[in-house]
Amino acid sequence: EVQLLESGGGLVQPGGSLRLSCAASGFTFDSYVMSWVRQAPGKGLEWVSTVTFSGGNTYYADSVKGRFTISRDNSKNTLYLQMNSLRAEDTAVYFCAKESGSGLHFDYWGQGTLVTVSS
Amino acid sequence: DIQMTQSPSSVSASVGDRVTITCRASQDISNWLAWYQQKPGNPPKLLIYAASTLQSGVPSKFSGSGSGTDFTLTISSLQAEDFATYYCQQANSFSRTFGQGTKVEIK
Repeated sequence: EVQLLESGGGLVQPGGSLRLSCAASGFTFDSYVMSWVRQAPGKGLEWVSTVTFSGGNTYYADSVKGRFTISRDNSKNTLYLQMNSLRAEDTAVYFCAKESGSGLHFDYWGQGTLVTVSS
Repeated sequence: DIQMTQSPSSVSASVGDRVTITCRASQDISNWLAWYQQKPGNPPKLLIYAASTLQSGVPSKFSGSGSGTDFTLTISSLQAEDFATYYCQQANSFSRTFGQGTKVEIK
């Protein structure tokens, strides 16, 4: 059974940093592209970032480019999101998502971790 | 970046109704389109990918169609468990984008 378990969320002040983790199990982690998607309170889904199989290629939404860094440790089956220079508008639930092997869509999602940026 | 526009933003319907949601892409995405269902407090659930392929385990009352820029999600006979928010997502490029969502509410 595929499982994705996010951690690392919490309350942080504007300008601060946070590192999210996503522990994956139930599938061959290094065979799949992984992504982060976020959802601000009461709002829709926003794709944040994607990393390819070995971590060699990364992609970011314009809203986080230069501030967030996605990475993965295939030896630990774990996906990361380093978030720096956080802003109030980064407040959201952050979901880890596994991409299907047959297209750029997400077939499994974690339960999410809440990041609140506030003074 | 490719923009995705869903309509309507919300729809009120009764149990047994047929509901159709549309999604328009700002440029041709062939059939690289997925649909998700999200209920409050839960992550999204994949319903359909490649515009019309039903994800394993998803009931056949859900169907998708379209190609190019215009797509539809149809729920053939709405049941209580189908009241949720539905999102489309373009899967044509690494800059994935979602539609703004359509909330299906009980009339």
